[in-house]
Amino acid sequence: GAVVSQHPSRVICKSGTSVKIECRSLDFQATTMFWYRQFPKQSLMLMATSNEGSKATYEQGVEKDKFLINHASLTLSTLTVTSAHPEDSSFYICSARGIRHSNYGYTFGSGTRLTVV
Amino acid sequence: RKEVEQDPGPFNVPEGATVAFNCTYSNSASQSFFWYRQDCRKEPKLLMSVYSSGNEDGRFTAQLNRASQYISLLIRDSKLSDSATYLCVVNKGGGADGLTFGKGTHLIIQP
Repeated sequence: GAVVSQHPSRVICKSGTSVKIECRSLDFQATTMFWYRQFPKQSLMLMATSNEGSKATYEQGVEKDKFLINHASLTLSTLTVTSAHPEDSSFYICSARGIRHSNYGYTFGSGTRLTVV
Repeated sequence: RKEVEQDPGPFNVPEGATVAFNCTYSNSASQSFFWYRQDCRKEPKLLMSVYSSGNEDGRFTAQLNRASQYISLLIRDSKLSDSATYLCVVNKGGGADGLTFGKGTHLIIQP
């Protein structure tokens, strides 16, 4: 149980375009979703926390107008990278917490590797 | 001071040996502690939670010292499949649920 599906796994986009990443909890209701990113040889860094039905809380230094997060349902959260630039190229990964967890509740998606050219 | 500090390694260890990793964390409000394992270019996977009383899961033993804000992981009888990056992780505490990750310790088990 506690599976989180993240799509796409890999995306290449042109500079200036927007990219949407989806994160779905398949067998539980995710009351809270977290979005992280990881640059090469760096640690995962929390970008934002979203609770279903409310606005996301962004970490310091993360632009909320650039990284749009929607958590409209208990099973789906999306992260949209708007007007992507090469420096946004990174590994983006979601994590979900909710009802019915056995490992203290942090289940990760498989990540999305974004390359902006 | 970094929020979670780990020795990046790499640790090159012969198969069957025992290896220990340590990490320190700076946020005294953290209440939850974990070791995650991350394979190259993959998502992190939970290895084990860490409790003050210490806990063991097969070949893996984790310890937490809250006073020193220090977490350890011991791997006994290491296997080739243990080769990975081990991430020390703490929650942000203070009502915030997100996690703070260390940069990880790279372990290479050699045959």
